[in-house]
Amino acid sequence: QVQLVQSGAEVKKPGASVKVSCKASGYTFTTYDINWVRQATGQGLEWLGSINPSTGNTADAQKFQGRVTMTRDTSIDTAHLEVSSLRSDDTAVYYCARGGKYQLYMDVWGKGTTVIVSS
Amino acid sequence: DIQMTQSPSSLSAFVGDRITITCRASQTINTNLNWYQHKPGQAPKLLIYAASRLQSGVPSRFSGSASGTDFTLTISSLQPEDFAVYFCQQSYTTPYTFGQGTKLEIK
Repeated sequence: QVQLVQSGAEVKKPGASVKVSCKASGYTFTTYDINWVRQATGQGLEWLGSINPSTGNTADAQKFQGRVTMTRDTSIDTAHLEVSSLRSDDTAVYYCARGGKYQLYMDVWGKGTTVIVSS
Repeated sequence: DIQMTQSPSSLSAFVGDRITITCRASQTINTNLNWYQHKPGQAPKLLIYAASRLQSGVPSRFSGSASGTDFTLTISSLQPEDFAVYFCQQSYTTPYTFGQGTKLEIK
């Protein structure tokens, strides 16, 4: 079945970087964009950006420009999100989600990766 | 950025009740509005896309509607498995933005 499997939880110190992975299966990886969304405890969902696995082109939220890097490895059907210069308010659950037809919705989601930023 | 104002933030209801959740967009988004269900420890699940289209495999007790910049998710007869958090999302333009979520609890 179609699924996105994310990497495990991470604990990082402020100022460090974290890289989260999202492995796709059950469909042709290069056909649909991958979005990255996060949710801090008690907060709403926040879109960080998306990547087109076929071209590698990305779109990211202006708020995160310069701190967020999205990449993909088509040989292993995996997308990656790297967040640098981590702060305590980056503590959140990070989700990857497949963009559906024309990126009009997110039809398959990973279960999330918890990232804790603490000294 | 487009702001999505979702209400109520929480809701208590009985099994069998009909409930509605509303999202209001801060500007026009046409019908580029999606609804998701999220249960603890699980991946969010797409319920409704394009304001009123039922995602494949989603029970027909879920429905969506639109009126201008106001959007509604209705569950016609609550089932025990429906108690979860629901949130809306606009896909009209980036940055895609979400409502704050509605926690639906059993009364």
